[in-house]
Amino acid sequence: DVKVTQSSRYLVKRTGEKVFLECVQDMDHENMFWYRQDPGLGLRLIYFSYDVKMKEKGDIPEGYSVSREKKERFSLILESASTNQTSMYLCASSYLGLAVYEQYFGPGTRLTVT
Amino acid sequence: KQEVTQIPAALSVPEGENLVLNCSFTDSAIYNLQWFRQDPGKGLTSLLLIQSSQREQTSGRLNASLDKSSGRSTLYIAASQPGDSATYLCATGGGADGLTFGKGTHLIIQP
Repeated sequence: DVKVTQSSRYLVKRTGEKVFLECVQDMDHENMFWYRQDPGLGLRLIYFSYDVKMKEKGDIPEGYSVSREKKERFSLILESASTNQTSMYLCASSYLGLAVYEQYFGPGTRLTVT
Repeated sequence: KQEVTQIPAALSVPEGENLVLNCSFTDSAIYNLQWFRQDPGKGLTSLLLIQSSQREQTSGRLNASLDKSSGRSTLYIAASQPGDSATYLCATGGGADGLTFGKGTHLIIQP
């Protein structure tokens, strides 16, 4: 079974702090994604990566950056956390081969910025 | 820009009923369509994926259909059970890019 893990289930940070959210997948997937989920707005794509050291902006990249130094790990960075970044963050991965692109999701990190 | 709409937003039915969840999308140039289940406070569990060349997929009591020309997909749940209570999300993808999600249907199955 595909396993996508996220470093924390719950996180509380203060405004202005630098925040790292980590995601690891164990199935050698090429593609990795970060989404945020908010009530009434649904899931929205922040950034994605289709290879090591590669990154592409999603729909709402402002205020975020990402890092992918190893194939299995994709990090989301909030350079200076703000209260409007309080949200549920979900990481996903998908396999490039077979051209199916089914996405598998981690359990999510609920981030609260105070 | 792709837009995905799910109707109804919420649904409550007695146990044992068959039910249909609807998903529509504005851009038919999709690579695939994926249905997910989300339990409260949890991540997403993939239920079914339909590639653009396919018409339907089945898994147990679940059947998903895809009509690209009309921009619609349906998720059929047979003989519903209380354990099926969750939020169901549909999402369309352009291949290696991210998914565009609907806002979900919140389903409650009454025992």
